[in-house]
Amino acid sequence: SQQGEEDPQALSIQEGENATMNCSYKTSINNLQWYRQNSGRGLVHLILIRSNEREKHSGRLRVTLDTSKKSSSLLITASRAADTASYFCATDFYGNNRLAFGKGNQVVVIP
Amino acid sequence: DTAVSQTPKYLVTQMGNDKSIKCEQNLGHDTMYWYKQDSKKFLKIMFSYNNKELIINETVPNRFSPKSPDKAHLNLHINSLELGDSAVYFCASSQDSGRAQHFGDGTRLSIL
Repeated sequence: SQQGEEDPQALSIQEGENATMNCSYKTSINNLQWYRQNSGRGLVHLILIRSNEREKHSGRLRVTLDTSKKSSSLLITASRAADTASYFCATDFYGNNRLAFGKGNQVVVIP
Repeated sequence: DTAVSQTPKYLVTQMGNDKSIKCEQNLGHDTMYWYKQDSKKFLKIMFSYNNKELIINETVPNRFSPKSPDKAHLNLHINSLELGDSAVYFCASSQDSGRAQHFGDGTRLSIL
């Protein structure tokens, strides 16, 4: 089955810096979603980008989607210690919300 | 106020036992899911129900049986627990297909 694959797997940055994560997938998708998971908690939805969209913003988050390269990126600007979490991309490639999750990116923001 | 709630939060039991995990959502969503997250944080869908009807049933041992008494509840019953069942199980819900999913905080199942 298709899975999103995030790159890099672990990222450590200073507070105030930007963090960028990439995700690649293998087949055509209906949409791609990014989620955050804090330690010991459930996943929290961040952004959904549809296959006909190229870029979306939400606060300090910016997501891009390149369907020709089958890849997406998540940019967190002006990172904060509270952004420390695991970030997952998930692809919906059947259009029935059967999400395929990637392995996740551990981001540590150092105060 | 909790949107998707799961009980129990922790479940420690012995191999061979039968256990259930309950999930309730108060968001008025039509679709609910069960996911399994392993020790490497890999998250995989197990089941999905839409308005009490099973729509996704991944390759999961038939020891796992979901039950949806109404569209706000999706419970997971596991028979004859095995060591490999140790994981975090997440319940989630969404309004429709192609929408954001809302997750519970997970049930940490440990098999002794």
